[in-house]
Amino acid sequence: GAVVSQHPSRVICKSGTSVKIECRSLDFQATTMFWYRQFPKQSLMLMATSNEGSKATYEQGVEKDKFLINHASLTLSTLTVTSAHPEDSSFYICSGRARGGETQYFGPGTRLLVL
Amino acid sequence: GNSVTQMEGPVTLSEEAFLTINCTYTATGYPSLFWYVQYPGEGLQLLLKATKADDKGSNKGFEATYRKETTSFHLEKGSVQVSDSAVYFCALSNKAAGNKLTFGGGTRVLVKP
Repeated sequence: GAVVSQHPSRVICKSGTSVKIECRSLDFQATTMFWYRQFPKQSLMLMATSNEGSKATYEQGVEKDKFLINHASLTLSTLTVTSAHPEDSSFYICSGRARGGETQYFGPGTRLLVL
Repeated sequence: GNSVTQMEGPVTLSEEAFLTINCTYTATGYPSLFWYVQYPGEGLQLLLKATKADDKGSNKGFEATYRKETTSFHLEKGSVQVSDSAVYFCALSNKAAGNKLTFGGGTRVLVKP
């Protein structure tokens, strides 16, 4: 149980375009979802936390107008990278946590390459 | 604030060798402790966890014991396999930080046949 999927698994786009990444909890209701960014050979950096039906809370230094997060249902959150640039190229990972739960369950990640 | 320190890798071992990855933490109160594993090109998978002092988490031959007196949560496996090659992350969460995960830097493990 506790499976989280992400789509797409990898995406290549041109500079200036926007990219949407979906994160779905398949067998549980994720009242809270988290979005992370991971650079090569580094640890995960938390970008934002979203609770279903509420605005996302962004970590310091993360541009909320650049990384739009929507958590419209208990099983789906989306991250949109707006006007992507090469420096946004990275591995983006989401996780979900059930209400009252402590454990985060992670998606398989989305590799974004901006040309 | 919370912090997690784990040994830097890479750790290179032969198959059937004993693996230890050290992890120590700083946190207020009584955090929950986790080990996650990341295989190449994939997201993180929960390997094991412990929620209170002296608890032992175990899974797939891996074990870690929550040691409050030494603020440690070292990961061990008695006999590694090539398929254990991955990056291992130690992490903690507590209410003081809104139950967000704080990760260590990760330790890359390479098991050679």
